[in-house]
Amino acid sequence: EAGVAQSPRYKIIEKRQSVAFWCNPISGHATLYWYQQILGQGPKLLIQFQNNGVVDDSQLPKDRFSAERLKGVDSTLKIQPAKLEDSAVYLCASSWSTGGTLYGYTFGSGTRLTVV
Amino acid sequence: RKEVEQDPGPFNVPEGATVAFNCTYSNSASQSFFWYRQDCRKEPKLLMSVYSSGNEDGRFTAQLNRASQYISLLIRDSKLSDSATYLCVVNDDDMRFGAGTRLTVKP
Repeated sequence: EAGVAQSPRYKIIEKRQSVAFWCNPISGHATLYWYQQILGQGPKLLIQFQNNGVVDDSQLPKDRFSAERLKGVDSTLKIQPAKLEDSAVYLCASSWSTGGTLYGYTFGSGTRLTVV
Repeated sequence: RKEVEQDPGPFNVPEGATVAFNCTYSNSASQSFFWYRQDCRKEPKLLMSVYSSGNEDGRFTAQLNRASQYISLLIRDSKLSDSATYLCVVNDDDMRFGAGTRLTVKP
C-alpha cells in the first residue's frame, strides 16, 4: 500500500514570501490532516478535512495560512506571507473511519520549512 | 492546562534498563489513546494503541487509567534502537499530541 505522499521534502524561503505544500493521502482515506511540528514540540493540528469539507480549522492562522482539498483527495497548504516563526515541519496525515472508530492513521514524511 | 501532557525528558538509560513514561490528558470523555514513536528528522509512527485492559507487545506495555486520566508506556530490556521520541496521543474528534519524551539508550 502506498503511503501518504508529501512534497517538497525541504523548502527554504525568505520571510514575507509565499510557499505551498502538497499532500496525497492513502487511497480511500476520507480524512486528511495538516500538522505543524516546531522543533522540540509535538505535532499541532492546523486543519482537518473530511472528504473535501473542513472539520476543524480552529488552530489555523487564517490571516496567513490557507488549505484546500477541492476534489476530496489531494490537498495543498499555503502560507502567505511567511514569518520566521513558521519554520517547522509540516506533516500531512490521513485516515479512514467507520462507526466512529478511526483506522489506518498514517503520516507522510513531512516538509521541512525554513524561513530566513 | 495542556490537553495532553507528558513526562519531561530526556531519559538517558543504559541498555537493558526498564523505563516508563507517563502521560496525562484533560478530556475525561476521550476514548482512544496511542503511543507514537518519532525518530530524529522522521515522521511519527504508530507504536501501539492503548486499550482499557492494558496491552503488551513484546518488550512494550501500555496501560490506561481512566479514573486518573493517564496512560503509561513501559519499555523492558531497552535496546539502543529504542532511542527516539515517544509521543502520547489522545483521540477526541481529532488526534491531540503531547510534546513527546526523548529517550536515549546508551551502551
